[in-house]
Amino acid sequence: QLQLQESGPGLVKPSETLSLTCTVSGGSISTPNSYWGWIRQPPGKGLEWIGIIYYRGSTYYNPSLTSRVTVSVDTSKNQFSLKLSSVTAADTAVYYCARLDSSGFSINWYFDLWGRGTLVTVSS
Amino acid sequence: QSALTQPPSASGSPGQSVTISCTGTSSDVGSYNYVSWYLQHPGKAPKLMIYEVTKRPSGVPDRFSGSKSGNTASLTVSGLQAEDEADYYCTSYAGGNNVIFGGGTKLTVL
Repeated sequence: QLQLQESGPGLVKPSETLSLTCTVSGGSISTPNSYWGWIRQPPGKGLEWIGIIYYRGSTYYNPSLTSRVTVSVDTSKNQFSLKLSSVTAADTAVYYCARLDSSGFSINWYFDLWGRGTLVTVSS
Repeated sequence: QSALTQPPSASGSPGQSVTISCTGTSSDVGSYNYVSWYLQHPGKAPKLMIYEVTKRPSGVPDRFSGSKSGNTASLTVSGLQAEDEADYYCTSYAGGNNVIFGGGTKLTVL
């Protein structure tokens, strides 16, 4: 049974880089029918898509975050990662990793499996 | 892109039906059939309830149904049950390899 688990520091200082990893278990990240993504949710607020990646490395980002976001994949570890630079208090949120279904060359734009999420607080 | 517009709250009594709307534009909801709906209980991760406007993942009760007309998508929950009380979010593909979320609707079962 496929599962996703986020990990990383729970506290990041302003202006620094937030780094999180999502470990995929119960299946391979290198599957042609999956994309892997990050979504965040500030406390008490709604969801915001951050970006997605294919196991071969192609990425797509939220236009509002693209200048600060990097999503990468490590197939040898069955993991994908998020880096968000120059963070401020506005980046405080629960960060979720998730899976998107893919049919060959097309992405099916819905998130059908989610990790439990991890809270990242930006504070000095 | 602006977020999709959802009513902040909705409510219904057990056994009743409730419909939650999700309004976008001709550039997102109106142009693509990649509308999906998620249920989120407090402190939990979102759960996919409807995808591609009308489809239900395996294990989702058929009390949940989706539809779309023009730039507005809707989620209907029939036969309301106490466990349906949660936040509901819609999403839509917006072109250019971008997806947008709605602001969320808090569903209360009276």
